[in-house]
Amino acid sequence: KAGVTQTPRYLIKTRGQQVTLSCSPISGHRSVSWYQQTPGQGLQFLFEYFSETQRNKGNFPGRFSGRQFSNSRSEMNVSTLELGDSALYLCASTRDSPSEGYTFGSGTRLTVV
Amino acid sequence: LAKTTQPISMDSYEGQEVNITCSHNNIATNDYITWYQQFPSQGPRFIIQGYKTKVTNEVASLFIPADRKSSTLSLPRVSLSDTAVYYCLVGPYSSASKIIFGSGTRLSIRP
Repeated sequence: KAGVTQTPRYLIKTRGQQVTLSCSPISGHRSVSWYQQTPGQGLQFLFEYFSETQRNKGNFPGRFSGRQFSNSRSEMNVSTLELGDSALYLCASTRDSPSEGYTFGSGTRLTVV
Repeated sequence: LAKTTQPISMDSYEGQEVNITCSHNNIATNDYITWYQQFPSQGPRFIIQGYKTKVTNEVASLFIPADRKSSTLSLPRVSLSDTAVYYCLVGPYSSASKIIFGSGTRLSIRP
């Protein structure tokens, strides 16, 4: 089966710009969550969506937002980019089954210059 | 939120069995134990998940004692491609916000 697809794979942006990242979950998975991974902070939870509703939100500033569409695809937006936003952004989907866990995409590598 | 403690790094050789132990003393009743594998610049890959006793799949086994305060991931006959970071997570399987990724164990396999 097709995995979680994240686009784009790499992105370079300038400080102050905004960026939108896309995630297509595995077919049949209705829960999508986003994580930020940096060498210093590790993997940190951003937010989780289920059936187009934000179910949980991590401890990130309001510049980070997201949404989920009726087909379960999700987008994440970061406005007014800062150098510290440079990271690997990962999306994961699940069918909420204890035997499957979360399936992660390969991520979007964002570099802010 | 249950905190996990696992070794920072481990080394082994091809063909050996590798056991990585994770401590989670304050695991809650509804928490599951999940292990992920991550290669550089890729997302974590689900390996195995369990609640109690022993779980086995095609790639690994997970041993959980009766008190559930620790767990051991067992990788049989490792190869060079098993070199990766392994994360032990404890939390409700259906709540991404409650699943905390720690620092993981960096496993290095040598020929």
